[in-house]
Amino acid sequence: DAGVIQSPRHEVTEMGQEVTLRCKPISGHDYLFWYRQTMMRGLELLIYFNNNVPIDDSGMPEDRFSAKMPNASFSTLKIQPSEPRDSAVYFCASSGGEGAPEDQPQHFGDGTRLSIL
Amino acid sequence: AQSVTQLDSHVSVSEGTPVLLRCNYSSSYSPSLFWYVQHPNKGLQLLLKYTSAATLVKGINGFEAEFKKSETSFHLTKPSAHMSDAAEYFCVVSERNSGGYQKVTFGIGTKLQVIP
Repeated sequence: DAGVIQSPRHEVTEMGQEVTLRCKPISGHDYLFWYRQTMMRGLELLIYFNNNVPIDDSGMPEDRFSAKMPNASFSTLKIQPSEPRDSAVYFCASSGGEGAPEDQPQHFGDGTRLSIL
Repeated sequence: AQSVTQLDSHVSVSEGTPVLLRCNYSSSYSPSLFWYVQHPNKGLQLLLKYTSAATLVKGINGFEAEFKKSETSFHLTKPSAHMSDAAEYFCVVSERNSGGYQKVTFGIGTKLQVIP
C-alpha cells in the first residue's frame, strides 16, 4: 500500500492568497483526519470525516479554513485568505479496517510544510 | 471525558541506558491506547497499540508499554536507548463516542534526547 499521500510537500505563498492542501487516504479506510502542528501549539486536530461526512470540525480555527471530502479517496483543506499565523505543518491521517473503530491506529502522511509570507 | 497527560515534555538519556516515557490517561470507557513516534521532518509512525488484550504490549524497535488500569497509565519503555531513538513520542487514547464514532486525543508529546 502506498500509505497516505499528501501534496504538496512544501508550499510558500504570500499573505492573502488561497492555499489548498490535498490528501489521498489509504484505500479502504473510512476515517480521515486533518491536523496542524506548530512549535507553539503542538499537534492540533482540525477536523475529521467518517465515510466522507464531517463529524467534528470544532478544531477548525476560523471561517478562513474549510475542508471537503468529495469521495473516499480524496480530501482537501483550504485556507482563504491565508495569514502568516497559518504557517505550520499540516498532516492528514486515515484509519479504518476490520474491527472496532476505536482500535484502529491512524496512518499519517508526511505532511505539508506551509509558509505564509 | 477523555484526556492524555504526558508527564515529561523532555527526557534525556545516555545511549545504552533504559528509556521511560510516562503517560497517564482518563477515559469514560475502556479505551484503546497507542504510542506514536515522530522523527524530525517526518509524519507520525505507530510504535505500538493496546486494545484490551495482553496488558504488556510489544512494539517496533524494541519498545514496549504496559497498560495499568489501576494507575490509568500506559508508560513506554525500552531497555537500551539507541541514537536513532531520538525523536518525539506521542501517547494517544482512543474510544468510541456516544455517536458511535472514533474519538482520539493526543498527548502533547515527549522529546527524547539520546546522548552519545
